[in-house]
Amino acid sequence: AQRVTQPEKLLSVFKGAPVELKCNYSYSGSPELFWYVQYSRQRLQLLLRHISRESIKGFTADLNKGETSFHLKKPFAQEEDSAMYYCALTDTGNQFYFGTGTSLTVIP
Amino acid sequence: EPEVTQTPSHQVTQMGQEVILRCVPISNHLYFYWYRQILGQKVEFLVSFYNNEISEKSEIFDDQFSVERPDGSNFTLKIRSTKLEDSAMYFCASKGDVGMSSGANVLTFGAGSRLTVL
Repeated sequence: AQRVTQPEKLLSVFKGAPVELKCNYSYSGSPELFWYVQYSRQRLQLLLRHISRESIKGFTADLNKGETSFHLKKPFAQEEDSAMYYCALTDTGNQFYFGTGTSLTVIP
Repeated sequence: EPEVTQTPSHQVTQMGQEVILRCVPISNHLYFYWYRQILGQKVEFLVSFYNNEISEKSEIFDDQFSVERPDGSNFTLKIRSTKLEDSAMYFCASKGDVGMSSGANVLTFGAGSRLTVL
């Protein structure tokens, strides 16, 4: 069963424009949601997790249980934000499910 | 900052050959994982390992695959007889603990090992 869905494979925005990367999940319990980022030629790294409720590099994500969404947002995109972004979910803290990823390009 | 290290960074092998991918997780981490990513596709879970045994595995992780923690520091993934469709980037990850505390449930990934099966 597809637990994490990222509908956009590619997303391009202009520098300074707002950006939203969509993530929807399907899970009946209380999952923990994450955003991981992979910059060009670098490893996957944690960007943020929903329980932290913090803003990292200007990005925020709010868990919406009613809509089962965890969209990633930034009000003003920067060129250095260009990367691959993966939404991920864990249920037990043991297995993690990743979405297919969204490749974000910020156009100067 | 502690890192998960993986070797080799790239391996080319002939179909049918055995391959061992190595990982050194972060030293005080307890949970270890292998993921793979076929070019252009999503990151897929293969297996998780805790307390010296497999805790979960996916459908991909069939009898051709095995994992081992031979010496308390390395965590290896062996593919017994490689197939063309095994060509992918293989990521090792480790995690310290489960729960809601800071750092728990946070996967730290290695840089990956690219496997090319000819």
